[in-house]
Amino acid sequence: SYELTQPLSVSVALGQAARITCAGNNVGSKNVHWYQQRPGQAPLLVIYRDSDRPSGIPERFSGSNSGNTATLTISRVQAGDEADYYCQVWDTASAGVIFGGGTKLTVL
Amino acid sequence: EVQVVESGGGLVQPGGSLSLSCAASGFNFSIYSMDWVRQSPGKGLEWVSYISSGSTSIYYADSVKGRFTISRDNAKNSLYLQMNSLRGEDTAVYYCVREGRSSSFDNWGQGTLVTVSS
Repeated sequence: SYELTQPLSVSVALGQAARITCAGNNVGSKNVHWYQQRPGQAPLLVIYRDSDRPSGIPERFSGSNSGNTATLTISRVQAGDEADYYCQVWDTASAGVIFGGGTKLTVL
Repeated sequence: EVQVVESGGGLVQPGGSLSLSCAASGFNFSIYSMDWVRQSPGKGLEWVSYISSGSTSIYYADSVKGRFTISRDNAKNSLYLQMNSLRGEDTAVYYCVREGRSSSFDNWGQGTLVTVSS
């Protein structure tokens, strides 16, 4: 079955850029979506279709997807960006949705 | 305002059944595909099931196939999840989710907690 691999944790200094990767076999051929989940809250869509931002999501959030790796980049990280981040794709072969294991972003 | 609100969670014994509901408002429910996604305590997100706008296409995760049934009533703007033969590993917060552009999950409810324990 298809798998998406994310680093368990990423740490970044306040004001710097954070990059969270999502690795999967030929993931570049799929639409990748990214979600932010703050403690005690429901997930929030921050990037859809690799690099598009939903209304209300700051321009600091961007995404890319090529080859075997998709990347979520958060520029000028703020304390409020500290959260778990999940990537997600639709896998046609298994007719199902696949989530990455999630990455905990810590702001130093 | 787009809103989806889950209900029906609670404590159930292993082998038991539970039915979840999701009430949608603020959008044309009948034209959107919907999903259920769950999250076990302290764990990541796990997709559970999908239903197309007209209920013509339905999919399940292997972990729930044959035990869970997704359905919807467009006249009542409601989504359902019937869960049978529940196991301890089904313990989770269950989220009702609207599918948006490119099948992204663009609106999530606050979730309802299902606890399977004796």
